[in-house]
Amino acid sequence: KNQVEQSPQSLIILEGKNCTLQCNYTVSPFSNLRWYKQDTGRGPVSLTIMTFSENTKSNGRYTATLDADTKQSSLHITASQLSDSASYICVVSRSYNKLIFGAGTRLAVHP
Amino acid sequence: NAGVTQTPKFQVLKTGQSMTLQCAQDMNHNSMYWYRQDPGMGLRLIYYSASEGTTDKGEVPNGYNVSRLNKREFSLRLESAAPSQTSVYFCASSGNIQQETQYFGPGTRLLVL
Repeated sequence: KNQVEQSPQSLIILEGKNCTLQCNYTVSPFSNLRWYKQDTGRGPVSLTIMTFSENTKSNGRYTATLDADTKQSSLHITASQLSDSASYICVVSRSYNKLIFGAGTRLAVHP
Repeated sequence: NAGVTQTPKFQVLKTGQSMTLQCAQDMNHNSMYWYRQDPGMGLRLIYYSASEGTTDKGEVPNGYNVSRLNKREFSLRLESAAPSQTSVYFCASSGNIQQETQYFGPGTRLLVL
């Protein structure tokens, strides 16, 4: 079964600290893996997209990694800010109309 | 540029009522999508339109219909709402069906009593 599982479900960190969010998938065939940020009450916004051959991709303080062999990805947030409080969604694409969305990790950054 | 806009933002329906969710994008994108997001679950694709004049079913199309009115607008219709359709609905668009980045609207919260 094609699934995307994210951990932890929720996370609380202090402002300025780093954190890492995990994504494991059992999706086949694999086209690409995406990370989205979703603020409360808003639509998701794309952070990174990685294909099979890419193992690291950065977007400012966000760095995503991909291990296609173990079917794992992580999103690392450096020097967290209050504005990083959001849900982070891992999405694995089988093809253009077959995106498998994870349930997300809810991150809260406290001052 | 407003990006992707959706109306209404919030709606309450009684079981059996019908309604249409509206979506428009001003990015000259060819492809548009409708998703639903339920608590504890990932977004699921309801319908998509690869280009103006075409529509196709996604993962959970039952109980919904769509219309690609023109290049800018893509509407989602619930003919006879059911409590199971209580959800948050997101519209998204992308440059073309192969383009990887989808841009999402702010969502419509629908409650069916």
